[in-house]
Amino acid sequence: QKEVEQNSGPLSVPEGAIASLNCTYSDRGSQSFFWYRQYSGKSPELIMFIYSNGDKEDGRFTAQLNKASQYVSLLIRDSQPSDSATYLCASYSGTYKYIFGTGTRLKVLA
Amino acid sequence: EAGVVQSPRYKIIEKKQPVAFWCNPISGHNTLYWYLQNLGQGPELLIRYENEEAVDDSQLPKDRFSAERLKGVDSTLKIQPAELGDSAVYLCASSAIFGSTDTQYFGPGTRLTVL
Repeated sequence: QKEVEQNSGPLSVPEGAIASLNCTYSDRGSQSFFWYRQYSGKSPELIMFIYSNGDKEDGRFTAQLNKASQYVSLLIRDSQPSDSATYLCASYSGTYKYIFGTGTRLKVLA
Repeated sequence: EAGVVQSPRYKIIEKKQPVAFWCNPISGHNTLYWYLQNLGQGPELLIRYENEEAVDDSQLPKDRFSAERLKGVDSTLKIQPAELGDSAVYLCASSAIFGSTDTQYFGPGTRLTVL
């Protein structure tokens, strides 16, 4: 079974700090990785994706990919209470198949 | 650009009753997905369409679930009869290739409660 694993949390960080969310995957054939934010009672909202090793920055968000270690992370700088949500990591295998982790719940404390 | 549209947003039914969900994907997105999401879990694929063709329905409980995507645009997902364990959020998503990767977007979901 090809899996994506995330720590369920909650991960608590103070307002203004950097939140670091991590994800590991088992399928070495995975090509792209996605981070979705999901507020309670809402559907997943795409934040960003990454498919090359290294870092990709978009505003306060930075995605990091290390294919050798099969590890993906999302850094949120200057965390705000509005960032409090569940963050889903998903892998994409190139055959239109997405596999989702169970999500990490982030709490940003004011 | 309009996002993925789903209806109804909420549905409460008694067990053994039928229920249907509707999805309209983002214009131009040929790939459509139906997912099931239980509380505290990630979305789990039920079925995937490429245009009108169901290309991955291995996780769809075919004894009670059915889906169709006529004309390769709108899609409906049906459950008949519903069971208590079907209570969940049913998410529709569509995707297209942007740059060098496929990118998937979700609709608002239908929250189903089976009593």
